[in-house]
Amino acid sequence: GAGVSQSPSNKVTEKGKDVELRCDPISGHTALYWYRQSLGQGLEFLIYFQGNSAPDKSGLPSDRFSAERTGGSVSTLTIQRTQQEDSAVYLCASSLVGWGGLDEQFFGPGTRLTVL
Amino acid sequence: AQKITQTQPGMFVQEKEAVTLDCTYDTSDPSYGLFWYKQPSSGEMIFLIYQGSYDQQNATEGRYSLNFQKARKSANLVISASQLGDSAMYFCAMRESGRAGSYQLTFGKGTKLSVIP
Repeated sequence: GAGVSQSPSNKVTEKGKDVELRCDPISGHTALYWYRQSLGQGLEFLIYFQGNSAPDKSGLPSDRFSAERTGGSVSTLTIQRTQQEDSAVYLCASSLVGWGGLDEQFFGPGTRLTVL
Repeated sequence: AQKITQTQPGMFVQEKEAVTLDCTYDTSDPSYGLFWYKQPSSGEMIFLIYQGSYDQQNATEGRYSLNFQKARKSANLVISASQLGDSAMYFCAMRESGRAGSYQLTFGKGTKLSVIP
């Protein structure tokens, strides 16, 4: 694909429901990142995958958040029992190697999550 | 303490003029990278320019240049000859490379730039 794609582009859910957000990185990129952008907190790192290494989950705000990356490609971010404070734009990014030098991160268009 | 500080929530610039967006950072890592991203109202994040901590020269990319002052821990973005399409949010970000496994970007709060015709 030409760039990072994310689906859905918009998601409205009710408080307490689970949601899944999907990210398709650029083909050949070994590193994948999830960020969250909200009005109050700005852009925050959530989780980082690099190849077959254990993911860096240090940015996940609670145990309601989890993510997986299957086959080193597609990633799914799952939020269980959503709360209103989870409302934000969830951005996915990928990069070629995930370390050192420029290794530009290319961002997807984001998923706007609204929890009612 | 904030790792990336952007002190200008909003800036105005006249079309065709130059503008400087401020960014200061805080790290004890000797190896790091500094990035600037542009986010138009459409929401996409567009990479503009990169400066590595060991780079001797200030980075330049077309109308964008980075005024890197390592001792002062500042990495200001300079946009020359502003255009109406430059109106957007601008984010400064840092990646610290010294700690294994920590390759995510840490972002500042952003500066909203408005270009006036």
